[in-house]
Amino acid sequence: KQEVTQIPAALSVPEGENLVLNCSFTDSAIYNLQWFRQDPGKGLTSLLLIQSSQREQTSGRLNASLDKSSGRSTLYIAASQPGDSATYLCAVNNNAGNMLTFGGGTRLMVKP
Amino acid sequence: EAQVTQNPRYLITVTGKKLTVTCSQNMNHEYMSWYRQDPGLGLRQIYYSMNVEVTDKGDVPEGYKVSRKEKRNFPLILESPSPNQTSLYFCASSLLGQGSGELFFGEGSRLTVL
Repeated sequence: KQEVTQIPAALSVPEGENLVLNCSFTDSAIYNLQWFRQDPGKGLTSLLLIQSSQREQTSGRLNASLDKSSGRSTLYIAASQPGDSATYLCAVNNNAGNMLTFGGGTRLMVKP
Repeated sequence: EAQVTQNPRYLITVTGKKLTVTCSQNMNHEYMSWYRQDPGLGLRQIYYSMNVEVTDKGDVPEGYKVSRKEKRNFPLILESPSPNQTSLYFCASSLLGQGSGELFFGEGSRLTVL
């Protein structure tokens, strides 16, 4: 059974720092991996989707990488801003394409 | 505006009183799914549907039912709610199934069962 782990569970950084969020998964036979953002009391917003054949995806200040062989993905946030404060979740889609397994999330706080 | 709409957003009910949480999407997505989010347990999939009249169980289907009679709607039914179903529920949809499509989430429905 796929297990997804995100470390650290919480992170606090000063504004302007570049930071990396980590996601690891136990079964490398994945179909794709998504990174989401969740604000308190809100739904999840998709940030980046990486197909299993891809190594990375970029959107603005965000860059997500995928290393299937090592079971790892990272989300890089450049020049962090207070508005980036939220919980970031990664989710792995299994090879059958139907089941999404979520990590526990990293709660990020960017201080002005 | 492309969106997934859930209702109600907040509900307090009592044990055993049947309830339905509705979910509707306006993006013509084939795939729809329900999740529950609990502290310390994260997001877990309850049921999903690949298309009209096609549904399947996720990780935690016990105590829930779903139906997919129309492409845009995917209601979640709790026939006899119990306190352990107190949770934050999310509906999501995607084009072409999860295998390739970006997943869009609703705003969530917070359910309390007394």
